[in-house]
Amino acid sequence: QLLLEESGPRLVKPSETLSLTCSVSGGFINSSDYFWGWIRQPPGKGLEWVASIYYNGNLYYNPSLMSRLTISGDTSKNHFSLRLSSVTAADTAVYYCARGVHLVRGVWGDWGQGTLVTVSS
Amino acid sequence: DIVMTQSPDSLPVSLGERATINCKSSQSVFYSSNNQNYLAWYQQKPGQPPKVLIYWASTRASGVPDRFSGSGSGTDFTLTISSLQAEDVAIYYCQQYYSTITFGQGTRLEIK
Repeated sequence: QLLLEESGPRLVKPSETLSLTCSVSGGFINSSDYFWGWIRQPPGKGLEWVASIYYNGNLYYNPSLMSRLTISGDTSKNHFSLRLSSVTAADTAVYYCARGVHLVRGVWGDWGQGTLVTVSS
Repeated sequence: DIVMTQSPDSLPVSLGERATINCKSSQSVFYSSNNQNYLAWYQQKPGQPPKVLIYWASTRASGVPDRFSGSGSGTDFTLTISSLQAEDVAIYYCQQYYSTITFGQGTRLEIK
């Protein structure tokens, strides 16, 4: 049974860097069968794809966020991480980590429960 | 970016009746080399993460009841629930993965 769990600070100050980690159990981020990614959802609003990573090191970023984003993976710890710099209130959202549908890039079949990150001083 | 527009924003439907949600993309999401439409549908209930229902426009994800079906091609797509059940009350999102992933704004499905 795949389990995805987001962790990281829930409160981040404006202009600082948001850092989140997705711990994976029941699956391996170095599998060639799946993509891994982050999707966010501001409170009461819709979904926005943030970034994705593939086992071979290929990285995919939302162009509107790319200049502030870093996604990375650590196969030894079986987790992947997100860093978003220079945050503002507009980055306040529930951040979900997810695993793609088998062999399909861009469709998210398994999700973590999400973590609400608030940007506020 | 490809803009995804769903209609309606809110849809009241009686239990047992058919529910139809539309999704239109600002450009085609059909890839001729593999004859696939890069379009997915998700269901999100309050306090829960989204759940994928359909991908490749009409392929049901594992475990999804067959009352859910997807259709359409190119720029116009439809999610149909053939007989609405109480547990289907949720917000439904379409999403394209032809290029930079984008979602529709969501359609809130409620019981009439």
